[in-house]
Amino acid sequence: SQQGEEDPQALSIQEGENATMNCSYKTSINNLQWYRQNSGRGLVHLILIRSNEREKHSGRLRVTLDTSKKSSSLLITASRAADTASYFCATGSGNTPLVFGKGTRLSVIA
Amino acid sequence: ETGVTQTPRHLVMGMTNKKSLKCEQHLGHNAMYWYKQSAKKPLELMFVYNFKEQTENNSVPSRFSPECPNSSHLFLHLHTLQPEDSALYLCASSQVAWVTDSNQPQHFGDGTRLSIL
Repeated sequence: SQQGEEDPQALSIQEGENATMNCSYKTSINNLQWYRQNSGRGLVHLILIRSNEREKHSGRLRVTLDTSKKSSSLLITASRAADTASYFCATGSGNTPLVFGKGTRLSVIA
Repeated sequence: ETGVTQTPRHLVMGMTNKKSLKCEQHLGHNAMYWYKQSAKKPLELMFVYNFKEQTENNSVPSRFSPECPNSSHLFLHLHTLQPEDSALYLCASSQVAWVTDSNQPQHFGDGTRLSIL
């Protein structure tokens, strides 16, 4: 299916360390998006990367996309306690709805 | 403040009750979505409205009935629900549902936590 699957399911790191989450998918995509969800809140869009792009940056976030391996990674540098949340990748083909994965739960320990 | 407001935030209802969830967006978007989020499951898309027209209904049971009176408001009418319907129901909006070259980023409300007794 097109659905992305995040890896790992859960990640625990110390404040100041980098956090890397991965997303794999099975079919061709047009774009891939990353979202964050804090406990008890809705999802917040972080970044969109198109299939013809390999890397994008936004503040402390770095996203890569390898369409040959059908995978993407989200790197959060110099993590903070406030980065504690679940992170979801969502894949889209452009003319169909986004499909979300199950997410990675990130815990940043102060 | 995400620009998408959902009410109520929490709802407890019996299986025979009828209730409605409300979503309002202040972003000038033309597409609105209902999602169901259950523990340890991927986010499930339920319904999509694009310019007030329903474009997606992902085999959702008829006990869930959406209504989109205008581009800013979306309702989910509930009746005769089952215990497995307990979940977080999220509303989202985007500029348009999708275009041929990309999916638009979605803006989510904080959800309604629904518990079925």
